[in-house]
Amino acid sequence: GENVEQHPSTLSVQEGDSAVIKCTYSDSASNYFPWYKQELGKRPQLIIDIRSNVGEKKDQRIAVTLNKTAKHFSLHITETQPEDSAVYFCAASDSNYQLIWGAGTKLIIKP
Amino acid sequence: KAGVTQTPRYLIKTRGQQVTLSCSPISGHRSVSWYQQTPGQGLQFLFEYFSETQRNKGNFPGRFSGRQFSNSRSEMNVSTLELGDSALYLCASSTNRGPYEQYFGPGTRLTVT
Repeated sequence: GENVEQHPSTLSVQEGDSAVIKCTYSDSASNYFPWYKQELGKRPQLIIDIRSNVGEKKDQRIAVTLNKTAKHFSLHITETQPEDSAVYFCAASDSNYQLIWGAGTKLIIKP
Repeated sequence: KAGVTQTPRYLIKTRGQQVTLSCSPISGHRSVSWYQQTPGQGLQFLFEYFSETQRNKGNFPGRFSGRQFSNSRSEMNVSTLELGDSALYLCASSTNRGPYEQYFGPGTRLTVT
């Protein structure tokens, strides 16, 4: 079945710098790749998603890239701010449309 | 539209007891998924219901069960509670069979003593 690996587990960056989180998946039939942000004590919320017919998608400071050949996708956050501190989860849909989740990345923004 | 709601928000149970958690999806959403989240851990998938049918199931023991009603509201039940069942239980609803964005509820914090 589908397996999603997410790296790194913790990422610490200086405020204003960029952050990149990477995920790899195993099922070549996967066609939907969302990224969720979970702030401390809150519910996960979708921040950006991409489908397999698109290579890149951007929303202000956030972008996601997808490499179907290599089966990996990445979240890019530019000009990081304190409010970007959270746990980020990637996911990939399997052939049954179930979302398979990565283990999460704790992003720490240093002032 | 009202968001996903879960009741109760907090629950304390004793080992060996059983518990039922409830999830009301966003109006019009027919898919409800349940997740277990322990401190510092990711989202462990329990099961997904769509139009009252369980369509996907994670790797949890049979003590964990669920159901969905005709109005798409869903319940999950945990029987014979163990200390390790202490966790945040999240449900998420989606408009269709998938894959689409999942909207999460606030969760039910279950503590087993």
